Amino acid sequence: KAGVTQTPRYLIKTRGQQVTLSCSPISGHRSVSWYQQTPGQGLQFLFEYFSETQRNKGNFPGRFSGRQFSNSRSEMNVSTLELGDSALYLCASSRGQNYGYTFGSGTRLTVV
Amino acid sequence: ILNVEQSPQSLHVQEGDSTNFTCSFPSSNFYALHWYRWETAKSPEALFVMTLNGDEKKKGRISATLNTKEGYSYLYIKGSQPEDSATYLCAYPAGGTSYGKLTFGQGTILTVHP
Repeated sequence: KAGVTQTPRYLIKTRGQQVTLSCSPISGHRSVSWYQQTPGQGLQFLFEYFSETQRNKGNFPGRFSGRQFSNSRSEMNVSTLELGDSALYLCASSRGQNYGYTFGSGTRLTVV
Repeated sequence: ILNVEQSPQSLHVQEGDSTNFTCSFPSSNFYALHWYRWETAKSPEALFVMTLNGDEKKKGRISATLNTKEGYSYLYIKGSQPEDSATYLCAYPAGGTSYGKLTFGQGTILTVHP
């Protein structure tokens, strides 16, 4: 059974650029969430999508956006990158009510 | 701001020891409490999703209990093994369902020495 797939695994971008990260959830999982992990802040919730609709949003600036497609695949976009956006970005999918999340391996973004 | 607190921050035990750690969360509007294990160089792995007060879940040597009235959950590991070394995270869903918008605690880092 395929897990949650995130691409790319590693990315180096320059300040001011924009980036798009991709996530393919487990087949049949309609809920997809994104998290940012930094050493000082731990795992921080970015947003959750369910059936192509953003259902929840975390406390991140508008430079962070996302979307979900009809096949449940999701993308997140960060525009005007800042040094502080350097982090591990994790995507996770869930079957739904009373089920936990399955996480992908993450995308390690470095902004220089 | 939702506060999910975990203690201790880190724990060193010897192989064979039993251990436990705590997660505290808001006791109002409870939907669920999640536990995850995050091993180095891997992705977080779901251990339990607990939804009922008094709930007790078990997976091998790991078990968890839940007290929604007072807002805490305990995770127990019986007979710790070096492969149990990981960061154990609890998470509280704050989006009005039992799973969306998880707020994670800072985690308990467990090191099991052979």
